[in-house]
Amino acid sequence: ELKVEQNPLFLSMQEGKNYTIYCNYSTTSDRLYWYRQDPGKSLESLFVLLSNGAVKQEGRLMASLDTKARLSTLHITAAVHDLSATYFCAVGYYGNKLVFGAGTILRVKS
Amino acid sequence: DAGVTQSPTHLIKTRGQQVTLRCSPKSGHDTVSWYQQALGQGPQFIFQYYEEEERQRGNFPDRFSGHQFPNYSSELNVNALLLGDSALYLCASSLDPGGGWDTEAFFGQGTRLTVV
Repeated sequence: ELKVEQNPLFLSMQEGKNYTIYCNYSTTSDRLYWYRQDPGKSLESLFVLLSNGAVKQEGRLMASLDTKARLSTLHITAAVHDLSATYFCAVGYYGNKLVFGAGTILRVKS
Repeated sequence: DAGVTQSPTHLIKTRGQQVTLRCSPKSGHDTVSWYQQALGQGPQFIFQYYEEEERQRGNFPDRFSGHQFPNYSSELNVNALLLGDSALYLCASSLDPGGGWDTEAFFGQGTRLTVV
């Protein structure tokens, strides 16, 4: 059974500093997705990583995938308040099934 | 393109009742998956419909059932509601990968179900 682990589960960030969220998964997959969720809202797609070594960047967020290590990272550069949300990684499994991590709650302090 | 739409957005039901949630997939998509997200947790896969049949199922009891219509829209039914069924129910649509690994899923805004 595929398991997805995120850490940390909670991240209190200071504005302007850099942080990383880690996503480990237990079985082979070449598909890794990152989502953002604001309170009471649905999932907003951030990144789709489709191959080993894939790196994508959008604003202050950068995601990478190492399929050999079964690890994806979401790096936050110079945190700002509007990045406060819950971030999920999800591993794409055969037949369009997604297995999600537990989520990382990000809070940015001024 | 309206994207994935779900109805209703909020629902309050009493224990023991039955509920039906609806999902219209993104235009061109033929596969609908349902997820349950309890408060403070990640979404959990309930089941997936393709060609009007349940193709995959997660670890959910038979009280959870579904249907897919010829126009690819889908319903999720939950019978004999329990307090623990209170959650955000998310519908995701995608295009069948045709034997490949997977294709990107697009999520609806969700239905917030509260069981009292």
